[in-house]
Amino acid sequence: NAGVTQTPKFQVLKTGQSMTLQCAQDMNHNSMYWYRQDPGMGLRLIYYSASEGTTDKGEVPNGYNVSRLNKREFSLRLESAAPSQTSVYFCASKKYSNYGYTFGSGTRLTVV
Amino acid sequence: DQQVKQNSPSLSVQEGRISILNCDYTNSMFDYFLWYKKYPAEGPTFLISISSIKDKNEDGRFTVFLNKSAKHLSLHIVPSQPGDSAVYFCAASEASNYQLIWGAGTKLIIKP
Repeated sequence: NAGVTQTPKFQVLKTGQSMTLQCAQDMNHNSMYWYRQDPGMGLRLIYYSASEGTTDKGEVPNGYNVSRLNKREFSLRLESAAPSQTSVYFCASKKYSNYGYTFGSGTRLTVV
Repeated sequence: DQQVKQNSPSLSVQEGRISILNCDYTNSMFDYFLWYKKYPAEGPTFLISISSIKDKNEDGRFTVFLNKSAKHLSLHIVPSQPGDSAVYFCAASEASNYQLIWGAGTKLIIKP
């Protein structure tokens, strides 16, 4: 089925470990996004890529890096995980307007 | 400082009755507003939207009302069904391609 695929679905890291969250979309969308969702807060934008070859910081970029590998794939990397990065991470894509956001099912990350 | 606020973390409604979910915003430059619905272990999915040139938009059982002077919008679901039990997020942006600012969400529970 067409959509946004995120891997892994669950991950437990120790403080200081690194990992990469993978995201791929097969809808030929131009823009891709990484959000985090924390209890009592809305989705907060970490990084986004308006088109292949470009990336920009969102609201909460500290501690993260991203790579727009090609039009399909947008990865999020935690170089040195901290407990404050415990969250649910969502990847999303859209073709043009806000009306067409498609989200992945999320990655639940726990840093201990 | 949250620019989009959903002050009710949860709402319980009897099946068949009307569900009203509220959202307030502070940024007068917002001109696109969207509602997303989220089931557990899934990403948010687009539900309905409204632009600032309208005060009402209807799609089947779902209607969104916008009161620009009060900086308030609401989502009405009539009649409420068990499958409507989910978390509902309100989001806003300054233009159709600007970044979305999200509310914290309201968990809607439909009682049989």
